[in-house]
Amino acid sequence: SQKIEQNSEALNIQEGKTATLTCNYTNYSPAYLQWYRQDPGRGPVFLLLIRENEKEKRKERLKVTFDTTLKQSLFHITASQPADSATYLCALDTPTGGFKTIFGAGTRLFVKA
Amino acid sequence: EPEVTQTPSHQVTQMGQEVILRCVPISNHLYFYWYRQILGQKVEFLVSFYNNEISEKSEIFDDQFSVERPDGSNFTLKIRSTKLEDSAMYFCASRGSTDTQYFGPGTRLTVL
Repeated sequence: SQKIEQNSEALNIQEGKTATLTCNYTNYSPAYLQWYRQDPGRGPVFLLLIRENEKEKRKERLKVTFDTTLKQSLFHITASQPADSATYLCALDTPTGGFKTIFGAGTRLFVKA
Repeated sequence: EPEVTQTPSHQVTQMGQEVILRCVPISNHLYFYWYRQILGQKVEFLVSFYNNEISEKSEIFDDQFSVERPDGSNFTLKIRSTKLEDSAMYFCASRGSTDTQYFGPGTRLTVL
């Protein structure tokens, strides 16, 4: 069956460092992969989308890579700030035209000042 | 900036009662979704809706659930006979011509 794994439940880093979060998937051939941020009690907020033919995408301090051979995406936050503390979710659309999105369990990031 | 809205923000109901959760997607969006998130667990896909019909549904979305787009702006999720295990946050999302989904703030459903 299709599976998404985000390798850490929680990640603690010092302010100013780069946070790197991992998303692995099996039994999928997604057309694209998305990263969302979720704060407690709130809905997911879209951050970045990367397509299967793209290796890397950047947006301000965020960078996403997508390796379809390894079936893995890495999500980086550079120069991290305490305000970056949140849960980050990896999401894949199943190959049925984007009508079903499967989320990973998320990684809780804590950035200490 | 346009956003997805959901009402109510919190719904408390007795087991066996029917509930209707309401969503107003971003206007001119064509794809609509419902997800749920049980406390401390991951966001789970329930159903997607396009062109006035269900496109995909998960195994969670059984006969107790139904969705409707009663007019040009609202998108509703009905749970016919609520169970204790239906207690969760329910999120609506909509998508336009891009692949990005925009989520609403959620409705917290508590079944007693």
